[in-house]
Amino acid sequence: DADVTQTPRNRITKTGKRIMLECSQTKGHDRMYWYRQDPGLGLQLIYYSFDVKDINKGEISDGYSVSRQAQAKFSLSLESAIPNQTALYFCATTTSLAEETQYFGPGTRLLVL
Amino acid sequence: AQKVTQAQTEISVVEKEDVTLDCVYETRDTTYYLFWYKQPPSGELVFLIRRNSFDEQNEISGRYSWNFQKSTSSFNFTITASQVVDSAVYFCALRHSGYALNFGKGTSLLVTP
Repeated sequence: DADVTQTPRNRITKTGKRIMLECSQTKGHDRMYWYRQDPGLGLQLIYYSFDVKDINKGEISDGYSVSRQAQAKFSLSLESAIPNQTALYFCATTTSLAEETQYFGPGTRLLVL
Repeated sequence: AQKVTQAQTEISVVEKEDVTLDCVYETRDTTYYLFWYKQPPSGELVFLIRRNSFDEQNEISGRYSWNFQKSTSSFNFTITASQVVDSAVYFCALRHSGYALNFGKGTSLLVTP
């Protein structure tokens, strides 16, 4: 089984709908991240969390919210989806150890019509 | 401020050619980590290498090699004897203090038979 899972893998929704993307990990990592990837661009950080009580905004947090329900679960919500939020969304995890790598989930492809 | 520049947007080579992907970074930190990830057409992100700022040794892993030069703030990636399976988008990334990654925009590599 994959260490970092994301659900759904693909989603089509309409403008104005609320949608939640979920991320779960079995690596036991304390830090979790949500990134967004647009065609031709690198990944941009939306939100990150150091633990259940520590949530931080990334560079493009407007229009998004997150919830860290447990150490292993980190959800991303689009309160009112808009077409320019169409993108590939990645969840990632790591630890506080300097030598640790950041591990990515398989991604969620979101299309907002 | 941190920044990663991958000036090559697209590269096309014929199988068995060597190819170098360039990465230039900017940071004010004295300790930092650099990463390379591969994104094949299927979309997932595959970790390739992590390098800390204290280790300037070049690294070789099979057909892959990395040249880290602090003097020029570069961390270049070379594929020797390229293969069709190497076709992917390659991202260079710099880790910041929150342990999130600043990504370059990626280089799309196409290897043709």
